[in-house]
Amino acid sequence: GAVVSQHPSRVICKSGTSVKIECRSLDFQATTMFWYRQFPKQSLMLMATSNEGSKATYEQGVEKDKFLINHASLTLSTLTVTSAHPEDSSFYICSASPMTGRNKKLFFGSGTQLSVL
Amino acid sequence: QQQVKQSPQSLIVQKGGISIINCAYENTAFDYFPWYQQFPGKGPALLIAIRPDVSEKKEGRFTISFNKSAKQFSLHIMDSQPGDSATYFCAAHQGMNRDDKIIFGKGTRLHILP
Repeated sequence: GAVVSQHPSRVICKSGTSVKIECRSLDFQATTMFWYRQFPKQSLMLMATSNEGSKATYEQGVEKDKFLINHASLTLSTLTVTSAHPEDSSFYICSASPMTGRNKKLFFGSGTQLSVL
Repeated sequence: QQQVKQSPQSLIVQKGGISIINCAYENTAFDYFPWYQQFPGKGPALLIAIRPDVSEKKEGRFTISFNKSAKQFSLHIMDSQPGDSATYFCAAHQGMNRDDKIIFGKGTRLHILP
């Protein structure tokens, strides 16, 4: 299947610093990527839809100035958590689909565990 | 509003048994129903998927049963193994574009006893 690479897998930072997470589609072009947040033992919460060459679409309640998304190329989207605080600690996951049509398959990155001290 | 309801929240099955996870949806416009498997500290991985014009799909030990009239679908894991212990998410999808959203259930934590 298609491969989505996400880095870093784990990051620990001090409160007030910014953290950048990268999501790459390795063997396909992704005009759209999705960013999720997952708390322990809970489901995936869609944060935003990243669109190549245009502004991201954020879900209700997600601060766009807090979670900056850049989708500068067809294979790379980045999520920057600005001025991180302990409440931002979570598991962040990206995903993308290489195909259109009815049998869409969504491929996920391996996730990034963010811990803010 | 929860569009995809998943049960049970957790499930314990003996090795060799059948694991069954159920999901129900509300939006009849959904046209694609995937199941994802997630191990701790990893991203979800697509396990198997079905479209509403099919009542059953089988891939190895994994089977999806789909009841369109009842708006329900389920995952059956035959001959369950300890390596199947993971969290399983059902999902529903609408639309034909890459940016159409997938709606996830809340997940089922499956534990297979050795």
